[in-house]
Amino acid sequence: KAGVTQTPRYLIKTRGQQVTLSCSPISGHRSVSWYQQTPGQGLQFLFEYFSETQRNKGNFPGRFSGRQFSNSRSEMNVSTLELGDSALYLCASSLAQTGGTSGGFGTQYFGPGTRLTVL
Amino acid sequence: SQKIEQNSEALNIQEGKTATLTCNYTNYSPAYLQWYRQDPGRGPVFLLLIRENEKEKRKERLKVTFDTTLKQSLFHITASQPADSATYLCALADSTLTFGKGTMLLVSP
Repeated sequence: KAGVTQTPRYLIKTRGQQVTLSCSPISGHRSVSWYQQTPGQGLQFLFEYFSETQRNKGNFPGRFSGRQFSNSRSEMNVSTLELGDSALYLCASSLAQTGGTSGGFGTQYFGPGTRLTVL
Repeated sequence: SQKIEQNSEALNIQEGKTATLTCNYTNYSPAYLQWYRQDPGRGPVFLLLIRENEKEKRKERLKVTFDTTLKQSLFHITASQPADSATYLCALADSTLTFGKGTMLLVSP
């Protein structure tokens, strides 16, 4: 089975621009989560989508948004980029069927990430 | 506030020894806890999951313990090898999945 794929792998943008990142989950996985990883803050949860619905959301500003398509592929969008948005953005897919406190996240299968640099 | 703490200092050990990594947390009631391995420039890779009602889980040379009273998980790698050198992350699941910042393990020959 093919793993999680993310495109593009590297991206350079300037402040104020917007960016869209793409994630294709493992076949059969309906849950897709996005994370931001920086040296200072570590790996931080952005949001999770399941069957085209945002099921969980982390503590990030509204400039960060996402969506999931009927084939479970997901996109993440960041508008009005700031220097602090420079990070490795990781997507993870999961077989998890249930959400929230019942342990719905399950095992996360991560993609290779998109390295975003904001100048 | 909620906090997950992993030792920020790298753990240096010799090949063949047992590595023990610690994950402490406060103000969480996690349904389960996971451990991941991350190599430089790559996404984390899942290793083990342990539920709140389990005390210990093993997989080959790996062992995880989970003490909800102490609010602590210990991750052990026995007979460590240089190939085990990586950053190890713990993650707690309640309404979201929250990761610690990880501990770098360096195994020297």
